[in-house]
Amino acid sequence: DIQMTQSPSSLSASVGDRVTITCRASQGIRTELSWLQQKPGKAPKRLIYAVSSLESGVPSRFSGSGSGTEFTLTISSLQPEDFATYYCLHHHSYPLTFGQGTKLEIK
Amino acid sequence: EVHLVESGGGLVQPGGSLRLSCAASGFTFKNYWMGWVRQAPGKGLEWLANIKQDGSEKYYVDSVKGRFTISRDNAKNSLYLQMNSLRAEDTAVYYCARAWSYSSGWFDYWGQGTLVTVSS
Repeated sequence: DIQMTQSPSSLSASVGDRVTITCRASQGIRTELSWLQQKPGKAPKRLIYAVSSLESGVPSRFSGSGSGTEFTLTISSLQPEDFATYYCLHHHSYPLTFGQGTKLEIK
Repeated sequence: EVHLVESGGGLVQPGGSLRLSCAASGFTFKNYWMGWVRQAPGKGLEWLANIKQDGSEKYYVDSVKGRFTISRDNAKNSLYLQMNSLRAEDTAVYYCARAWSYSSGWFDYWGQGTLVTVSS
């Protein structure tokens, strides 16, 4: 099974900051990775698919990069609505696995 | 507009069974793989199962294999999760999701979730 190690598990940042979240796969997953955002009490929402393709309607301050085993989600300038929990998800092979999540909090 | 609406959650005793349903609308259901994902209270997301468009292929995470069964009825635009031999650790919010198609990729739409509580 492929394990996804996501870091950091929590992050405190201010509005306007640039933040980066990393996911490392235990083996190569090519570009078969998505990023999701979840706000408290809500369903997850896909932000990025295929490593770097932005979901329709998602602000361009979100971006994804990486390949193989290391992937990053970057938010270029944090906005108040971005404070949430973020998950990576690999879909290279079964079983699919999520990263442990990164809780982004306001400093 | 795509809508996925889960139902069937509730309180069940350990060892009991429950059947979750997911009603889909706003897209051609039979063209998509569908899946279930859960989230225990205060924890992260766990993928559980996916089912192919025609139901001919099903995949499960080991923790539910042999206890949970995913199925679908394309005529009713519905997805199901039959859960047997439930344990306390199955307590979670269960999400239905549109799992995959060539044009839309993976897990692009999610339902609002239904809470399953396993407790005596």
